[in-house]
Amino acid sequence: EDQVTQSPEALRLQEGESSSLNCSYTVSGLRGLFWYRQDPGKGPEFLFTLYSAGEEKEKERLKATLTKKESFLHITAPKPEDSATYLCAVRTRVSNDYKLSFGAGTTVTVRA
Amino acid sequence: NAGVTQTPKFQVLKTGQSMTLQCAQDMNHEYMSWYRQDPGMGLRLIHYSVGAGITDQGEVPNGYNVSRSTTEDFPLRLLSAAPSQTSVYFCASSYGSYRTDTQYFGPGTRLTVL
Repeated sequence: EDQVTQSPEALRLQEGESSSLNCSYTVSGLRGLFWYRQDPGKGPEFLFTLYSAGEEKEKERLKATLTKKESFLHITAPKPEDSATYLCAVRTRVSNDYKLSFGAGTTVTVRA
Repeated sequence: NAGVTQTPKFQVLKTGQSMTLQCAQDMNHEYMSWYRQDPGMGLRLIHYSVGAGITDQGEVPNGYNVSRSTTEDFPLRLLSAAPSQTSVYFCASSYGSYRTDTQYFGPGTRLTVL
């Protein structure tokens, strides 16, 4: 069974204190890994898609990387507006279709 | 564009009651999905649609029905609400080669079943 585990569950950072979130997966045949941001009381919002080990994507203070077993979301010099829950999802092949498996998320709080 | 809209925002039901959660999108996306989000768990797929008139079950379909008569609308019906259905429900749409491409989520409906 596909498993997606995000760690830590919660992360409290001081403004400017860089850190990383982890998304590890045990799946058969990765066909893409997605990162989403979710603000309280709102739906997830797409950030990145990664397809192969070694790939990196950046957006403002966020940088996502991918290895064969995990992905990291690096937050560089975070600001309070980066506070949110970050979700990862892995896509795998199932018969003639694809399946998305979501992690439970990491809640990031950035204090000014 | 409004994107994906959901109504209501909040709902409280008694066990055994039925209701419909509304979802609409104005992006002309082919694919639409319903997910539920529970504390400590990842989003789980309830039902999905690959086009008007075509629906299929996801991971946790029991107790829910869907239909898709138009491209824009994808309502989720709870047949006889149970406390285990207390959750936050998200509707999502997507386009491209596969329904599992980038998901565009609505704002969610928080449902409590007493």
